[in-house]
Amino acid sequence: EIVMTQSPATLSVSPGERATLSCRASQSVSSNLAWYQQKPGQAPRLLIYGASTRATGIPARFSGSGSGTEFTLTISSLQSEDFAVYYCQQYNNWPPNTFGQGTKLEIK
Amino acid sequence: EVQLVESGGGLVQPGGSLRLSCAASGFTFSSYWMSWVRQAPGKGLEWVANIKQDGSEKYYVDSVKGRFTISRDNAKNSLYLQMNSLRAEDTAVYYCARDLYYGSGSPNDYWGQGTLVTVSS
Repeated sequence: EIVMTQSPATLSVSPGERATLSCRASQSVSSNLAWYQQKPGQAPRLLIYGASTRATGIPARFSGSGSGTEFTLTISSLQSEDFAVYYCQQYNNWPPNTFGQGTKLEIK
Repeated sequence: EVQLVESGGGLVQPGGSLRLSCAASGFTFSSYWMSWVRQAPGKGLEWVANIKQDGSEKYYVDSVKGRFTISRDNAKNSLYLQMNSLRAEDTAVYYCARDLYYGSGSPNDYWGQGTLVTVSS
């Protein structure tokens, strides 16, 4: 089973600034990597798949990059609604798909 | 509009059983693989199982193999998760989710709001 490790666990950023979240896989997952956003009491929302493709309706300020074992989610200019928990997920070696433990993005 | 609505959660004793349902609408249910994903209170996400469009292929995370069964009824646009021999560590919100891709590992592009399963005596 592939282990996904996200860093940092908590990231404090001011509105309008850039946020960079990292995800590392224990072995190569090619570009089969997704990012999700989850707000309290809500279901996860798919942001990025294929490491860099935005899902339907996702604003352009969200971008993904990386391949192999190292991936990054960048939010270019943080809006108030972006403060949430973010998860990465690999789906290259399935089953099972595996998720990272999450990064909490909080207001600085 | 794609909608996934879970039901069937509740409080159950260790060793007990529960059947979750997910009613799908707004898309051609029979054309998609479907998944169950769970989230223990205050914890991260864990993929549980998924099922092919016609139900002929099913896959599970090791921790639920032999205890949980995923199934579907395309005529009713419904997905199910039969959970037997429940343990305290199965306590979680269970989400029904649509797979973006067919026939391989896949991200999930639509999710229900979840149903809470609590296993406790």
